[in-house]
Amino acid sequence: NAGVTQTPKFQVLKTGQSMTLQCAQDMNHNSMYWYRQDPGMGLRLIYYSASEGTTDKGEVPNGYNVSRLNKREFSLRLESAAPSQTSVYFCASSEAAGGLGQYFGPGTRLTVL
Amino acid sequence: GENVEQHPSTLSVQEGDSAVIKCTYSDSASNYFPWYKQELGKRPQLIIDIRSNVGEKKDQRIAVTLNKTAKHFSLHITETQPEDSAVYFCAAAKGYGGSQGNLIFGKGTKLSVKP
Repeated sequence: NAGVTQTPKFQVLKTGQSMTLQCAQDMNHNSMYWYRQDPGMGLRLIYYSASEGTTDKGEVPNGYNVSRLNKREFSLRLESAAPSQTSVYFCASSEAAGGLGQYFGPGTRLTVL
Repeated sequence: GENVEQHPSTLSVQEGDSAVIKCTYSDSASNYFPWYKQELGKRPQLIIDIRSNVGEKKDQRIAVTLNKTAKHFSLHITETQPEDSAVYFCAAAKGYGGSQGNLIFGKGTKLSVKP
């Protein structure tokens, strides 16, 4: 039981490049989330998927898109990376919407030059 | 929307002392309050949570208290140990009962436990 997994662990991009962050969970959770963590800012929600087939914007969605590929997988895409998107990105999942018992993945450290 | 304030931002204690971290929230509809611990370079991990129908919850050396009237909740760590050193985050959400919201996190408290 791996819990929540993320790939890649580290990534360096040049401004304007695109990439997709992958997330998968094996806990049969319905809800999945993408957060970014910046120094002194805590965890801020980018997008979430309350259940398979639905996605919604969180607090800081600009510059990102998401896809809930199936119940297990939730990807985050940066279409044209900007230096302001340098951050640590965490995927999380919970059994239901509302964040009860939310589990986090190991994170992806992204640097945009 | 919900706003969560967390204090202090840094806290240093001697091993064996107690540590208290406090959070306030703004939305009276919030009913779920988890605490996460994040060690350096690691993922946030849920350490304890409390629902609004409970005033206090304990798990060994950690406890959380909730004051719904004042809209604040606190994390208490007793007999601190060096391995308690980490960043602690509080959060609040309308977690159950009707339409749920998402977790809103405080900005974190860096706890240092000195041997």
